[in-house]
Amino acid sequence: GQSLEQPSEVTAVEGAIVQINCTYQTSGFYGLSWYQQHDGGAPTFLSYNALDGLEETGRFSSFLSRSDSYGYLLLQELQMKDSASYFCAVRDLAGGYQKVTFGTGTKLQVIP
Amino acid sequence: NAGVTQTPKFRVLKTGQSMTLLCAQDMNHEYMYWYRQDPGMGLRLIHYSVGEGTTAKGEVPDGYNVSRLKKQNFLLGLESAAPSQTSVYFCASSYGSGQGGNQPQHFGDGTRLSIL
Repeated sequence: GQSLEQPSEVTAVEGAIVQINCTYQTSGFYGLSWYQQHDGGAPTFLSYNALDGLEETGRFSSFLSRSDSYGYLLLQELQMKDSASYFCAVRDLAGGYQKVTFGTGTKLQVIP
Repeated sequence: NAGVTQTPKFRVLKTGQSMTLLCAQDMNHEYMYWYRQDPGMGLRLIHYSVGEGTTAKGEVPDGYNVSRLKKQNFLLGLESAAPSQTSVYFCASSYGSGQGGNQPQHFGDGTRLSIL
């Protein structure tokens, strides 16, 4: 089966950089996604990595190493509004269809 | 665009009652999903559908049934609600061809369900 591990909580200072790690175990791996969820809100898509390397989207970057079954989300120039939960999710093939499995989430608190 | 719309947004049920949660998407997506989210548990897949008329079990399907009679709608039913089903339920949709590529899931705002 699939399993993902990510830290449960992270605290960082406004303006700083924070890295949220994710390790996974799965078969038929297609890619690793990251989602953001503010308290009381819906998850929203941030990034996706199918190949090794770094993908940059504004202040957010995501990295994948398929050989290490490891990825991370990097948030730069942290803002208070970045306080939220961040979920990594692996997409793999199960029963002939693509399926996504989410991690348990990392709650990021940005402090002044 | 409305995106993914879930109704109702809140509901309180008594143990043993039944109800149906409705999810509607206007993006012509093939894949639709139902998740439940509990504190510290992340998002767990209940059932999903890869197209009109097809459904499949996810990680935690017991106690739930689903139907996808129309491409744009995905219904989640609780036949006999139990307190363990108290949760926040999210519906999502995505394109899905089984060919890989970036196919992000678009989520509704959730249904907060309490079973007394």
